[in-house]
Formats: sequence, structure tokens, C-alpha cells
Amino acid sequence: QVQLQESGPGLVKPSETLSLTCTVSGASVKSYYWTWIRQPPGKGLEYIAYSYHTGSTDYNPSLRSRVTLSVDASKNQFSLQLRSVTAADTAVYYCARGRGAHGAWGQGTLVIVSS
Amino acid sequence: EIVLTQSPGTLSLSPGDRATLSCRASQSVSDTNLAWYQQKPGQAPRLFMYDASNRAAGVPARVSGSGSGTDFTLTISRLEPEDFAVYYCQQFGSSPLTFGGGTKVEIK
Repeated sequence: QVQLQESGPGLVKPSETLSLTCTVSGASVKSYYWTWIRQPPGKGLEYIAYSYHTGSTDYNPSLRSRVTLSVDASKNQFSLQLRSVTAADTAVYYCARGRGAHGAWGQGTLVIVSS
Repeated sequence: EIVLTQSPGTLSLSPGDRATLSCRASQSVSDTNLAWYQQKPGQAPRLFMYDASNRAAGVPARVSGSGSGTDFTLTISRLEPEDFAVYYCQQFGSSPLTFGGGTKVEIK
């Protein structure tokens, strides 16, 4: 059974970079696309981006200029960097398997952007 | 970008009632690229339906999905207590993948 676990700071200052890692167990990161999705408190789901270990990526155009994705097959992890954050980036961030119909999700990690 | 509009925003029903949730797309979506998720408070979303009409693992038979093109429906024939949650549709056939705004099914 595939399990995903997000990790990273829960508090980030405005204008700094949000960095999160998703550790995968029960599957190889080389076997699937991996997606980041976020959910502001009390709101709906927003797609951020997805990546494959070969470097193939897709981004939400609204976030593309600030997002970097990476996959580390040696650690079976994939990562998200979101630059120049503002309070509007405060959300629960989820990692998920696949580039749609995500059958496995991490539990989510709340990231608050505040000074 | 394909915009998904879910209606109603909130559905107030009683256990045993029938729930009909709508997801309308601004452009045609292949039914193989349409999914539904269930989310309960404090939990990650759970894949509920894929390919528009295929139940994900563990989803009971009282749940069904249908639709094609721009109109998709999730139906729960007889609501059980565990069905009260928020439901999201998602399309992933066109970049960027998008989610609907969600329908909350609450106890009346």
C-alpha cells in the first residue's frame, strides 16, 4: 500500500521560500507522476504542479513562475519549492500520486505564511 | 483552463435520502479524465470515483457516477451517516488540471 508523508516548516515568512518534501513508501517514485495540491483554510482544492522522475513537469499557470519541483529517486522523495510567498499561500499542502484520479494522498501539512 | 462548477454548494439532507451532485465543465471533458473525491473535516481527500463512473476501492454500491462531455453527476442513493462530507470533482484531461469548488452534503 502506497503511503505518502509531507514534511517541512509549518511557518514561513513573507517573501521567503516554502520548501516541502513528500516521502513515498510502498512504491517507487520512478513509477508514477507525483502531484502537489493545496487547500487554503476553509476553501477548496487548488492544483499546484506535477512531475515525473524524468523531469517532465506541468504547472498551474497561476503559480508557474514561483514553483520548482524535483524528484530524488535515491531517497524515494519528491519536493516542492514555492518562492516569494505571501499570506495568500497559507494552506494545507498535500502530495498525491498520479496526475489525476489521485488514489493516494499524504495527510497534508499546514503551512502558515506570517512574520 | 477548464472551469468546473459544482452545484449545489450545500445539500442539506437526512440519512436515507438521495443525494444528486452536479459538476459542469466549461469545455468538454473526456469521461476517462473526470474524478470525484470525498473529504471529511481534518482529512485528506479520498478518491471516490474515477473515469466518471467507476467506484474507487471501498466505495459502496449505493454510490454511482455518470455523465459525459460537460455534465457529470455523482449520486448517492441512500445517504448513510458516513456519506456526509464535501465532494469535489476534478478534470485532468486538459492542463492545468482543475477542481470544482465542492459540494457539502450536510445533515438536515
